[in-house]
Amino acid sequence: GNSVTQMEGPVTLSEEAFLTINCTYTATGYPSLFWYVQYPGEGLQLLLKATKADDKGSNKGFEATYRKETTSFHLEKGSVQVSDSAVYFCALVMNTGNQFYFGTGTSLTVIP
Amino acid sequence: DAGVIQSPRHEVTEMGQEVTLRCKPISGHNSLFWYRQTMMRGLELLIYFNNNVPIDDSGMPEDRFSAKMPNASFSTLKIQPSEPRDSAVYFCASSFIRADQPQHFGDGTRLSIL
Repeated sequence: GNSVTQMEGPVTLSEEAFLTINCTYTATGYPSLFWYVQYPGEGLQLLLKATKADDKGSNKGFEATYRKETTSFHLEKGSVQVSDSAVYFCALVMNTGNQFYFGTGTSLTVIP
Repeated sequence: DAGVIQSPRHEVTEMGQEVTLRCKPISGHNSLFWYRQTMMRGLELLIYFNNNVPIDDSGMPEDRFSAKMPNASFSTLKIQPSEPRDSAVYFCASSFIRADQPQHFGDGTRLSIL
């Protein structure tokens, strides 16, 4: 079946630290991959996406590269800010449908 | 552009009561999803519609839950009778029916069943 596995949280970092949140996937075909962010009291918001192997999605200083050989889509940011504190979800959708498969979410707290 | 609009934002009611959650998708989107989020179970897909037709309702917990989409601009999720274990945040999301298109989420309805 199709699924996404994210690293366990919570993650706590100091401001300006480097961030990596691991995401690996299992898929029977060719998925598109997404990262969503959820701030407290809000719905999920699209952060970035990649639709084919070796594509790099980027937004607001965050990046993730679609690695088919390692079935991964790790989220990175070079220097986190307090305002990046949120829950981050990795997700995939197969090219044969439009149902999303979400990971369990990784909570990030950035301290000043 | 208006995003996905959900109402109410908060609902507190006693067990046994009927609860109706409402969703207005983004205009032009032809796919709509209902999710439930809890600390214990995370984000769960309950049901989704393509072109107003239910495609997969395997995530609906039990017969107490029902969802309808009478037209392209409105959907409801109903719980009757409600139970305390239904307490959660319920999200609606919409998208175009294309695999590389993102889902757009509403701000959710926080439901508390006493």
